Formats: sequence, C-alpha cells, structure tokens
Amino acid sequence: GEDVEQSLFLSVREGDSSVINCTYTDSSSTYLYWYKQEPGAGLQLLTYIFSNMDMKQDQRLTVLLNKKDKHLSLRIADTQTGDSAIYFCAGDTNQAGTALIFGKGTTLSVSS
Amino acid sequence: DAGITQSPRYKITETGRQVTLMCHQTWSHSYMFWYRQDLGHGLRLIYYSAAADITDKGEVPDGYVVSRSKTENFPLTLESATRSQTSVYFCASAMGISTEAFFGQGTRLTVV
Repeated sequence: GEDVEQSLFLSVREGDSSVINCTYTDSSSTYLYWYKQEPGAGLQLLTYIFSNMDMKQDQRLTVLLNKKDKHLSLRIADTQTGDSAIYFCAGDTNQAGTALIFGKGTTLSVSS
Repeated sequence: DAGITQSPRYKITETGRQVTLMCHQTWSHSYMFWYRQDLGHGLRLIYYSAAADITDKGEVPDGYVVSRSKTENFPLTLESATRSQTSVYFCASAMGISTEAFFGQGTRLTVV
C-alpha cells in the first residue's frame, strides 16, 4: 500500500523560505496533497497537485513534484509566524477508495 | 450548522467500557473516514465508507466498529476500550474520489 514519509521538524526564521519534503511509494496516486494542522484543530487542505503536473504555484506556496523520484515538496515563501503548524503530505490510493494516506507530519516552527 | 462536526470534543473513559464517537456532516458527501492521530504515527485510517451501508477497513481497524445507516452520520464505536486507544480521533468527509477531504475538529479520547 501507499507509504508516505516526511521529515518531522523544520525551524526557520520569519521572512525566510521554508521547504518541507515528502516521499511516497504509490505511483498510482491521482493527486498529492498538503494539509495544514494548527494547534487544537483539524486538518485543512492547503494545496494539491495533480499527478501529471511538475509544479503548482499558489501565492506564497509552491508545490514541486518529481514523479521519477516520487518526491513532493512544499515551499512557503516569506514564512510568517502564522505559518507555524504541522504540515501533512498525503496521497490518495485506490486501495482505500478515495481515502488519503498521510505522512507523519512536519512540525514547522517559525521564530521572529 | 453547515460542515462536519464531531462529538464529544473530549472524552475520558475507563478500560473495558464501550464508547461511541459521533460524526455528522451536512454536505451529503458520499465518503466519510475515521482517522486516529498519535505522536510518531501521524494520521492512520481506521475505517472508511463510500456510501450509506457501505463500510470498509483501513489500516488500523481492530477494536473499532462503524456503521453508516444515514449518509450524514458515521459513528465510531470502541467496543471495549483499551489504553492503546487513547488518541485524537478525526472524522472527515469527501464528495468523491480524489476530491478535497474536510476534517472535523477532532475528539480527544483518554482511556484510563
């Protein structure tokens, strides 16, 4: 089945760029997603990329997809303290309907 | 209120007791999911449902039971709670395959 791996922690200074990395195993995933979880809250979709795209840009967010290496990254430009959260990479898998398989999450800490 | 709501938000129960976590969504989404979130494991899929009266196991279904008699509700029951089921439980719903999943606020369950 799908396995999704992420680095667990990232610490950056306000104004710097953040890059969160993710690797996945199931090449049949149609979409790959980034979800954000703020303290005490549920997950919210941040952005997603269709599997036949290489890059997607959405304001301060850039998603890069390397299908050959099964590597996904999320770049946050001009990181703000409000970006401090846990970021989850997820892929859909035909093995569970449309259920998402999540990585363990990357905790992003932004210091001022 | 529109959206997806979980109840209760917090629950403490004793080992061996049966406990049911409720999930209700107002969008008539076909798909609903239960995940548990634990440190070091990220989110793991417990059960999912593609439609009313259709449910299937996820990655960690043991000790849990679900039902889906109505499209809008997807309760999760712990038949005989164990300490290892102490976790934060998230319910989610999605309209269809490879579409955005919307998450509830979570239920923090402590089994003592």
